[in-house]
Amino acid sequence: AQKITQTQPGMFVQEKEAVTLDCTYDTSDQSYGLFWYKQPSSGEMIFLIYQGSYDEQNATEGRYSLNFQKARKSANLVISASQLGDSAMYFCAMREGQGNQGGKLIFGQGTELSVKP
Amino acid sequence: AAGVIQSPRHLIKEKRETATLKCYPIPRHDTVYWYQQGPGQDPQFLISFYEKMQSDKGSIPDRFSAQQFSDYHSELNMSSLELGDSALYFCASREGLAGERVKNIQYFGAGTRLSVL
Repeated sequence: AQKITQTQPGMFVQEKEAVTLDCTYDTSDQSYGLFWYKQPSSGEMIFLIYQGSYDEQNATEGRYSLNFQKARKSANLVISASQLGDSAMYFCAMREGQGNQGGKLIFGQGTELSVKP
Repeated sequence: AAGVIQSPRHLIKEKRETATLKCYPIPRHDTVYWYQQGPGQDPQFLISFYEKMQSDKGSIPDRFSAQQFSDYHSELNMSSLELGDSALYFCASREGLAGERVKNIQYFGAGTRLSVL
């Protein structure tokens, strides 16, 4: 069975600094997708970035980048130039199953990020 | 851009009552997923639909049922509510294009916060 592990329950970062949120995964699938979502205190789940197992380049979306190390089965999220609005819970997730019959997301436990002014 | 719409945003029910949660996916998205997120927990997959047919099922209680209608909106029906059903319920949608190298990003609605008293 697939599994996502986030070992940092909480993280602090100074405003304008970079921060890395860790995520490791376990799967026997050759093809898979990894996602990061942000959940502010208001509760909504916001998609941030995607990395496919076949992608040779690390994904980037603005201030977000994904440090994908396939051999180590890790997909760490890097947030550059942290802003106060980045304070939120961050979830790493993996898509389970292929095709139109699958695709459900398996989530990690989440990391609570606090940005200090 | 249009997002996933969930209603109601908040719902308060008594034990043993019933509740119906509605989800309107992003236009042209034909796949819908339902997740349940308990307090301080990561989201857990409940059930999914592709082209109005159930495509996958997770740890959804027998007291819950769901369907996807001809306009692709979905409803989650919950009966005999228990205190433990209090949670944030998310609906997510994605395009039905499936394939190993397709991103299949799931976009989440703002969620329905259900409180069972």
